[in-house]
Amino acid sequence: DTGVSQNPRHKITKRGQNVTFRCDPISEHNRLYWYRQTLGQGPEFLTYFQNEAQLEKSRLLSDRFSAERPKGSFSTLEIQRTEQGDSAMYLCASSQNHAETQYFGPGTRLLVL
Amino acid sequence: GENVEQHPSTLSVQEGDSAVIKCTYSDSASNYFPWYKQELGKRPQLIIDIRSNVGEKKDQRIAVTLNKTAKHFSLHITETQPEDSAVYFCAAPSGNQGGKLIFGQGTELSVKP
Repeated sequence: DTGVSQNPRHKITKRGQNVTFRCDPISEHNRLYWYRQTLGQGPEFLTYFQNEAQLEKSRLLSDRFSAERPKGSFSTLEIQRTEQGDSAMYLCASSQNHAETQYFGPGTRLLVL
Repeated sequence: GENVEQHPSTLSVQEGDSAVIKCTYSDSASNYFPWYKQELGKRPQLIIDIRSNVGEKKDQRIAVTLNKTAKHFSLHITETQPEDSAVYFCAAPSGNQGGKLIFGQGTELSVKP
């Protein structure tokens, strides 16, 4: 499968714990995006990278969230001190360049108890 | 701020009828307008997109129209089939370097056999 992949697919954690998600974009895609989706809503932008540079972060993204793309390939999204409100589907997408089609991964569904 | 409004939120049609979903956007710099289909528990999948240099694009039973002056674009599905039942999202790029997508609230389409 040469599409965007994400791991894990599901994560259940207790409030206050840290979690880390991984995204592997389509090979040679320069841009990588993270979105969050809650039930009944459209995906909400969190942050994106061009190669290893993080170009934009949502103003809604708290300091507990951090993302990296150290070698310009895969990316990780870490949530520290999780809260119940963090429960959502975390989607990753990649595109070849600016203003090109974004292809989504299957998402990581997070449940914070 | 950037905003994409989508209507209707739910749409029920009989098999074989047409379905139309409408979106408006606020960022006049937006130049790329994708539509995604999301089935329950699955990733958003691109079904069609249009760029600002054209007013209409068609792919078999699916078409999208764009009115840049009015800042709105629409998805048209003809000869609907039960497998078209899903949630549909429109989106428009916005922000710094136009990378992130702002999504509409989604339209749940139900095609009754």
